Amino acid sequence: AQSVTQLGSHVSVSEGALVLLRCNYSSSVPPYLFWYVQYPNQGLQLLLKYTSAATLVKGINGFEAEFKKSETSFHLTKPSAHMSDAAEYFCAVSPFGNEKLTFGTGTRLTIIP
Amino acid sequence: GAGVSQSPRYKVAKRGQDVALRCDPISGHVSLFWYQQALGQGPEFLTYFQNEAQLDKSGLPSDRFFAERPEGSVSTLKIQRTQQEDSAVYLCASSLGPRTNEKLFFGSGTQLSVL
Repeated sequence: AQSVTQLGSHVSVSEGALVLLRCNYSSSVPPYLFWYVQYPNQGLQLLLKYTSAATLVKGINGFEAEFKKSETSFHLTKPSAHMSDAAEYFCAVSPFGNEKLTFGTGTRLTIIP
Repeated sequence: GAGVSQSPRYKVAKRGQDVALRCDPISGHVSLFWYQQALGQGPEFLTYFQNEAQLDKSGLPSDRFFAERPEGSVSTLKIQRTQQEDSAVYLCASSLGPRTNEKLFFGSGTQLSVL
């Protein structure tokens, strides 16, 4: 069985500060890992995905995530937060790629001006 | 269309009523997924189609839930005899190819409220 745990349902950071959103996974097989963002009244949008090609994955809007097998983690970071980053972020895992994603409960990111 | 389109955007149903939720995937997309997102939770997988074939329906919570995609494009998720616990946002997603490395595109969802 696959699962992800997102630590912190709400995270607030100041504009220009580092963004760190935490995700730990559980998987019995090498996983595919994803980060999605959901803006109000919009569909989920893929930020980045890990498919075992490289442990450091760069995504859109300046976000990146590092796969650490020893820590079973896939934390999302961005060096400098922007007001437009305010949204809900979901980590997801799948043994087969796109099929049957298992999502975490989400982290709502608030940016303080 | 430019993206995945879902209708209606909002649906209010009385308990016991049947509802039908529609998903128009991006034209030409082979794979189509339905997810259920309860308030404060992440989306949960319901079912998966490859063209018109429903390859996985393991996430459907009960036999009151039924999904179809008869011509391999538009899909309908039907819920019979709705219950309050069915209240959620129902998300549809599609991808171009049949396998795993294709980018997944989500619709904005249908918010179902059962009174």
